[in-house]
Amino acid sequence: EVQLVESGGGLVKPGGSLRLSCAASGFTFSSYTMTWVRQAPGKGLEWVSCITSRSRDIYYADSVKGRFTVSRDNAKNSLYLQMNSLRLEDTAVYYCARDLGTGTTFGYWGLGTLVSVSS
Amino acid sequence: QSVLTQPASVSGSPGQSITISCTGTSSDVGGYNYVSWYQHHPGKAPKLIIFEGNKRPSGVSSRFSGSKSGNTASLTISGLQAEDEADYYCCSYGGSATRYVFGTGTKVSVL
Repeated sequence: EVQLVESGGGLVKPGGSLRLSCAASGFTFSSYTMTWVRQAPGKGLEWVSCITSRSRDIYYADSVKGRFTVSRDNAKNSLYLQMNSLRLEDTAVYYCARDLGTGTTFGYWGLGTLVSVSS
Repeated sequence: QSVLTQPASVSGSPGQSITISCTGTSSDVGGYNYVSWYQHHPGKAPKLIIFEGNKRPSGVSSRFSGSKSGNTASLTISGLQAEDEADYYCCSYGGSATRYVFGTGTKVSVL
C-alpha cells in the first residue's frame, strides 16, 4: 500500500525557514516523480514544485521560485521541501504526492502538514 | 500562474447526475490531454478520480466520468450518493513553463 507521510510543519515568523519532509513507503520511491501541492486556509489547491525520479528535472511555481528548494533522498525514501524567506501567504497545508506513473498525474497523496507563517 | 475556472458549488439530490466544468485556455486544458480530477474530503488526503481527461484509476467508481471540449473539461457524477459530498478540483498540465495549474475548486452538496 502506498503511504506518504508529511512532517516538519509548524509556526514560523515571516522571513523564517522551515524544512518539510515526506516519508514514502509501499512502492519503489526511486522510480517516481514526486510533487508538493499546498492549500491555503479556505482556498484551493496550488501546485508548488515537482522533482523527477533521479532529481534530473526540478520545477517550481512562480510564487515560490527562488525561495523554496525541493530535493529527495532515494536511499531514504524521502522527499524534502526547504522553505526560506517565508511569507504570510505561504501559510497552508502542504501535501506531497506521487506520480501515478503517467508522468502528469498526482496518483497518491499524503494527509499534509500545516505551515503557519505569522508574526 | 493562472488558475482554471470551476463553479464554486454544485448540488443535486441522491440518484441525480451533476456536471462540474473546468475552463482553461489553449495553453493548458485545450492544449493537452492531461486533465485530472481530484476529490477532497476536508481533513483527508485528496483522491485521484479521473486522469488524462477520461480515464479512471483502479478502484474508482464508474459513476465518475470525464470529458473535454475545447478549453473546457468536465466531470460528471452520476447516481449521486451522500458520500460524494466533497470538494472537487481539476488540474491540467500547462507546458514546460507553467507545469501544472489547478482549478478553483467546486463544493458538491448532496441535498
